[in-house]
Amino acid sequence: AQSVTQLDSQVPVFEEAPVELRCNYSSSVSVYLFWYVQYPNQGLQLLLKYLSGSTLVESINGFEAEFNKSQTSFHLRKPSVHISDTAEYFCAVSELIQGAQKLVFGQGTRLTINP
Amino acid sequence: NAGVTQTPKFQVLKTGQSMTLQCAQDMNHEYMSWYRQDPGMGLRLIHYSVGAGITDQGEVPNGYNVSRSTTEDFPLRLLSAAPSQTSVYFCASSYELAGANEQYFGPGTRLTVT
Repeated sequence: AQSVTQLDSQVPVFEEAPVELRCNYSSSVSVYLFWYVQYPNQGLQLLLKYLSGSTLVESINGFEAEFNKSQTSFHLRKPSVHISDTAEYFCAVSELIQGAQKLVFGQGTRLTINP
Repeated sequence: NAGVTQTPKFQVLKTGQSMTLQCAQDMNHEYMSWYRQDPGMGLRLIHYSVGAGITDQGEVPNGYNVSRSTTEDFPLRLLSAAPSQTSVYFCASSYELAGANEQYFGPGTRLTVT
């Protein structure tokens, strides 16, 4: 079974600074990879996903993630963060088991933006 | 289009009480699931359903029951609440069974068991 490790439980950064949230998964077989974001007191929303093709995927609000098969990583980056990016971010891997999609989530990284 | 809705938003139970968390979606999604979110543990799958009348266990099913009588509704029942079930519960749905599809999450139910 897959496992997902998010290496940092909390990441504090200053506004307009760059940020990287790290994610590693356990298996090198073909996988689908996701980043979900949870704003305070809300449910999770899809931020971006990697299915196949270009290893660099982007979201509409400036985040990007790079799929690295050899290192089994899918790190999330943003060159300049805003206060509105304050949220918890979850990396997830999709497993297809007996015909049903199952998402395996990492522990989450709380991103705090300081002015 | 309301998406995925959950009720109640908050609930406090005493140990041994039972209750049902409601989940409904209006997107005609076949696949629905329940997760619990605990600090430092991410989200863990409790039960899921691949269509009306079909349910299966996830990673942490003990103490919970589900049923799926319609495509729209997927209630989660706590049979005899325990303090270890204090958590935030999320319901999610998706369009297809293949692994590439986005899951849509409800706003969550915060449950405290005393």
